Amino acid sequence: DVKVTQSSRYLVKRTGEKVFLECVQDMDHENMFWYRQDPGLGLRLIYFSYDVKMKEKGDIPEGYSVSREKKERFSLILESASTNQTSMYLCASSLGGQGGNEQFFGPGTRLTVL
Amino acid sequence: AQKITQTQPGMFVQEKEAVTLDCTYDTSDQSYGLFWYKQPSSGEMIFLIYQGSYDEQNATEGRYSLNFQKARKSANLVISASQLGDSAMYFCAMRGNNAGNMLTFGGGTRLMVKP
Repeated sequence: DVKVTQSSRYLVKRTGEKVFLECVQDMDHENMFWYRQDPGLGLRLIYFSYDVKMKEKGDIPEGYSVSREKKERFSLILESASTNQTSMYLCASSLGGQGGNEQFFGPGTRLTVL
Repeated sequence: AQKITQTQPGMFVQEKEAVTLDCTYDTSDQSYGLFWYKQPSSGEMIFLIYQGSYDEQNATEGRYSLNFQKARKSANLVISASQLGDSAMYFCAMRGNNAGNMLTFGGGTRLMVKP
């Protein structure tokens, strides 16, 4: 069974803290993605990676960075958390190439920044 | 730039009836793909159906079908014989002609199935 796991389901942090969100996939997928989900806005892409050590900015990268040192792991980093980063964060992975390669999602991390 | 619009924030449907969830898109790419995902209250995103821009037939997967009208740039999801378990958020998403298989999502439609 394919699997994308995220390190925490719920996380509470304080303003200014450095926050790490971890994502691991066991499907040997080339592509990995980080989204944030907010009501009425759907999912918005923060960063994605198409290979180890490769990363590309998505639509809303400000305030975030990422790391992909191994193929199966993609980390999202909030360098200095702010209250407007309170959100649901979803990690996904997919095969490379075009076509109907759907993205497989993790269960999400609901982050609250106080 | 690509854009996905889902104009129905919330919908009700009676159990066992069919329902159509609207999705319109905007892109300048010639080759693209359209996806629908379901998100139950538990939060996980479940892939439902895919339509490629060059596919001549509308995609179907069990009770799900995608009404693809290319000239109108619409990709509506049709759920036949609704079940209580269909109550969820539904997201339409689009992959343009990009190297990373990135998706652009719409704002979602919350479907509620009445018994």
